[in-house]
Amino acid sequence: EAGVAQSPRYKIIEKRQSVAFWCNPISGHATLYWYQQILGQGPKLLIQFQNNGVVDDSQLPKDRFSAERLKGVDSTLKIQPAKLEDSAVYLCASSLVAGPREQYFGPGTRLTVT
Amino acid sequence: ELKVEQNPLFLSMQEGKNYTIYCNYSTTSDRLYWYRQDPGKSLESLFVLLSNGAVKQEGRLMASLDTKARLSTLHITAAVHDLSATYFCAVAGTASKLTFGTGTRLQVTL
Repeated sequence: EAGVAQSPRYKIIEKRQSVAFWCNPISGHATLYWYQQILGQGPKLLIQFQNNGVVDDSQLPKDRFSAERLKGVDSTLKIQPAKLEDSAVYLCASSLVAGPREQYFGPGTRLTVT
Repeated sequence: ELKVEQNPLFLSMQEGKNYTIYCNYSTTSDRLYWYRQDPGKSLESLFVLLSNGAVKQEGRLMASLDTKARLSTLHITAAVHDLSATYFCAVAGTASKLTFGTGTRLQVTL
């Protein structure tokens, strides 16, 4: 079974530039999550989708971050404009709706803002 | 707001020794997860604990959950170098939103 795919794996941008990350969840997983993990900390949930609807985006900085999940499968997370403090690893995860709802994580995108 | 605390934050232990990592959380939850993260890698699921008194074991790791005390433990038996990693607990809140602990960085030395 293929895992959660993410791209790119690494990205370096200057502050005030824009960047976008892509995620393809495990086939059949209706729930998709985007997390931000700052070095030395645990992951923090940014946004949670169920199919193509938003379940929770309470910790998403909506003035600069946006995310969409068209057709309920792939998702993109965008930052515009980026700030230095956005340097982090952005993790995508997916889970089934029913059962233990265990989340499976992708490899992440390491973003460096200079 | 759900808060999750782990201790210790850093643990250096010798091979062959036993130790326990603790995960405390602030509000009622019926699901708790343990993950492992190697440096520069993503998170790997270790255990899913779904009920009070649940105990899961895999190799040298054993996890347990006490929902009344709002406490989970991850016990390491006879540590080996391969177990060196950062371990996170994560607690499920409303709508399955996970709140992660601060992580425990485990270093197993010879």
